[in-house]
Amino acid sequence: AQSVAQPEDQVNVAEGNPLTVKCTYSVSGNPYLFWYVQYPNRGLQFLLKYITGDNLVKGSYGFEAEFNKSQTSFHLKKPSALVSDSALYFCAVSPYGNKLVFGAGTILRVKS
Amino acid sequence: DTGVSQDPRHKITKRGQNVTFRCDPISEHNRLYWYRQTLGQGPEFLTYFQNEAQLEKSRLLSDRFSAERPKGSFSTLEIQRTEQGDSAMYLCASSLSGRASVETQYFGPGTRLLVL
Repeated sequence: AQSVAQPEDQVNVAEGNPLTVKCTYSVSGNPYLFWYVQYPNRGLQFLLKYITGDNLVKGSYGFEAEFNKSQTSFHLKKPSALVSDSALYFCAVSPYGNKLVFGAGTILRVKS
Repeated sequence: DTGVSQDPRHKITKRGQNVTFRCDPISEHNRLYWYRQTLGQGPEFLTYFQNEAQLEKSRLLSDRFSAERPKGSFSTLEIQRTEQGDSAMYLCASSLSGRASVETQYFGPGTRLLVL
């Protein structure tokens, strides 16, 4: 079965500090991995995806994610957090390149 | 360039009534997905279309749910005899599938359904 785990319900970070939002996955097929962000009362916005190749993927708004096959992880990172980054973040896997299987989400709170 | 649009944005209905939601994908996208999101959870896959063909339906999709994409453009999701457990955000996404790369799905703003 395909699944994604986001072990932290909430991550708190001070503005200007680096942030990490954790994600681990379990998939029998190819680990096509995605990060999306959701702001209140809005749909999901695509941030980045890993398909193959370089383990460090760069995405929108200064976010990046590191794919680690041995640890089956795909953590989202940003060197310097902004208050406007506060939102709900979802990790997802697409084992067959079509439907997405999402984690439960992690609330990121950035305080000034 | 417009994104994915969904209508209505909010729907309140009484238990037992039928409801229909509409999704308009990004114009050149050939795949269209429906997901359901309940409070505190990530979106769950319901069904998807490639052009007008419905290629997969989740076991979550009971017989009361039906989806169509008659001309390979917009799609509708109908829920018959709504139940309180159907209350959720219904999200639509579209993508352009191809051999070169794994597709990226772009989501609409969602339709929030409340069944009283």
